Amino acid sequence: SQQGEEDPQALSIQEGENATMNCSYKTSINNLQWYRQNSGRGLVHLILIRSNEREKHSGRLRVTLDTSKKSSSLLITASRAADTASYFCATETGANNLFFGTGTRLTVIP
Amino acid sequence: GAGVSQSPSNKVTEKGKDVELRCDPISGHTALYWYRQSLGQGLEFLIYFQGNSAPDKSGLPSDRFSAERTGGSVSTLTIQRTQQEDSAVYLCASTEDSFQETQYFGPGTRLLVL
Repeated sequence: SQQGEEDPQALSIQEGENATMNCSYKTSINNLQWYRQNSGRGLVHLILIRSNEREKHSGRLRVTLDTSKKSSSLLITASRAADTASYFCATETGANNLFFGTGTRLTVIP
Repeated sequence: GAGVSQSPSNKVTEKGKDVELRCDPISGHTALYWYRQSLGQGLEFLIYFQGNSAPDKSGLPSDRFSAERTGGSVSTLTIQRTQQEDSAVYLCASTEDSFQETQYFGPGTRLLVL
């Protein structure tokens, strides 16, 4: 079963705006990862945040992790039309078990 | 209903041996993906099948890796002359078609090459 749950399921914004996606999970984790998927393509790894980290940046991406609330957020700043994709969080609980959420479908309108 | 299944769940092999990993996608799903995940790393895309189209093999790391999908259903990932760096979890996923964003993943096969 998939452990993560993402919110919202779908998000539509104008180009240039920021997009925030949230992920909640149920059990203790080693790390949490965010992935992106363009329609009909495989998942692309975006960023990994470990359980002892609270915030991480990569380019226009900012990820936060709150282990007390078992939640994470992905912020994409200054969005572009090319950011249109589905975004998944995935949690690693140990022994290489990786659990994905159901994803947030982001649409950036030019 | 039944999800994606993979077998074996764990495989330990010796360096140089060949291994076959099997994936049974959700019935009726036309798209099938193979990924691998090394310890502490993100997923690495390997290969993608969609219906009867030629597979997207762009992620296969070397010519020791190959995959087949027979009858548009079951897929087998074969690794020849395994190396220690092949040790990883190999995940299979399927989707109803190539335009569905949600991929349904199997539990994975944990491969350890000694």
